[in-house]
Amino acid sequence: EIVLTQSPGTLSLSPGERATLSCRASQSVSSYFAWYQQKPGQAPRLLIYGASNRATGIPDRFSGSGSGTDFTLTISRLEPEDFAVYYCQQYVSSPLFAFGPGTKVEIK
Amino acid sequence: EVQLVESGGGLVQPGGSLRLSCVASGITFSRYWMHWVRQAPGKGLVWVSRINPDGSSTNYADSVKGRFTISRDNVKNTVNLQMSSLRAEDTAVYYCARVQRQLMILDAFDLWGQGTMVTVSS
Repeated sequence: EIVLTQSPGTLSLSPGERATLSCRASQSVSSYFAWYQQKPGQAPRLLIYGASNRATGIPDRFSGSGSGTDFTLTISRLEPEDFAVYYCQQYVSSPLFAFGPGTKVEIK
Repeated sequence: EVQLVESGGGLVQPGGSLRLSCVASGITFSRYWMHWVRQAPGKGLVWVSRINPDGSSTNYADSVKGRFTISRDNVKNTVNLQMSSLRAEDTAVYYCARVQRQLMILDAFDLWGQGTMVTVSS
């Protein structure tokens, strides 16, 4: 059974700074991997699919990389609206469609 | 407008039942796998169930297997989640979600509803 681990749990940064979020899978998930953003009281929003493909309408300051077991979401320059919780997800192995525990990006 | 709208949430006693519905609009509903995902208050996202485009194949998380049933009506563009033997730990916001690409079995979720709150308490 695959376990997703996200780090750090909380990231404190200022607008304009670069954010680097990590997610590690306990077994390979190839590129069946996604990142989501969730703001309080809102549904999640797909950012990245296939590990490195931006979803429709996602600004190019968001980028994803990695394959196999180690994945990274990078936000090149944080905008005020980017402060949120970010979840990783694998969609290939048991437990199906499992999400990571999340990384909160907060304003420093 | 492309959207998913959930309904049916509410307060239910432990051991009770509840039926959630999700109506899709603006999409070719019958060509997508559909999912339910839940989120307990202050917690992360947990996948619950999925159903294939024609409704003939379903899967469930171990935590709900045997208690929840997913179904769909492709005429009414609706996916349902029948929940029974509810427990306090089922308390959560329940989201329906669509996979990104038509007929894709393994895919990310690009369209989400706004969620419906289910509270299981006496």
